[in-house]
Amino acid sequence: AQSVTQLDSQVPVFEEAPVELRCNYSSSVSVYLFWYVQYPNQGLQLLLKYLSGSTLVKGINGFEAEFNKSQTSFHLRKPSVHISDTAEYFCAVSPRGRRALTFGSGTRLQVQP
Amino acid sequence: ETGVTQTPRHLVMGMTNKKSLKCEQHLGHNAMYWYKQSAKKPLELMFVYNFKEQTENNSVPSRFSPECPNSSHLFLHLHTLQPEDSALYLCASSLLQGDFTTNEKLFFGSGTQLSVL
Repeated sequence: AQSVTQLDSQVPVFEEAPVELRCNYSSSVSVYLFWYVQYPNQGLQLLLKYLSGSTLVKGINGFEAEFNKSQTSFHLRKPSVHISDTAEYFCAVSPRGRRALTFGSGTRLQVQP
Repeated sequence: ETGVTQTPRHLVMGMTNKKSLKCEQHLGHNAMYWYKQSAKKPLELMFVYNFKEQTENNSVPSRFSPECPNSSHLFLHLHTLQPEDSALYLCASSLLQGDFTTNEKLFFGSGTQLSVL
C-alpha cells in the first residue's frame, strides 16, 4: 500500500517570493510520483510527474519538483510565484504496473500581493 | 477545459433519493475513474474502468453503483446515501497503455459537488 503526506495544509506567500510545497510518501514497491493543481471550481490538472531518469522534473507554469529516494520526498518548488498560482496542490503516487493514484490531503497555496 | 465533462455541477439530494452523476469524455481515452474529494481529506479512488470493464473497486459501499456503457461515458448511480457522502465527486480519464508512460496522464473533470441532506 502507498501513502502520501503533505506536511503543510496551507502555505501563505507573497507575490514574487519563492515557494516550496512538501510531499513525503511511503510505499513497499516502486512508484511514479505526480503533482496536480486544482484551481477554484475546477478539476485537477497535472503539473508534472516523475517516472524515471533525472530526479529534477520540470512542469508547467514554472514549477519543478525533485525526487529524493533516500528521503522518500517529492517537494514542489517555484522560484517566483504569481497571484494566479493561488490554488490547491496535490501530491500523488502510483505503483508501477497499476493505474491507481493515491493522493495526499492537499496544500492550499495562497499568494498575497 | 480538459475534455472531461461532468454533470450536474451541483446536486442536492435527500437520503431516500436516487440520482446519477454523469461523466463524458471525447478524448479517445479507454480508462475512466471515479474519485471522491471530501473536505480536509485526501482524494480517494473509488472505481476504475479499463475498456468498459471494472478493474478497481476501492471498498466502496454498495449505495454507490458505477456504470460504464462505453469508453466515453461513465455514470455513478446514487441510492440511499448518507450525509457523510457529501463531497466533490471527480471523474477522470486516461489512455490505457500498460502503467503510466511518459505521455500518459489523467484528465479530470470539474466535478459534481454533492450535498446529502
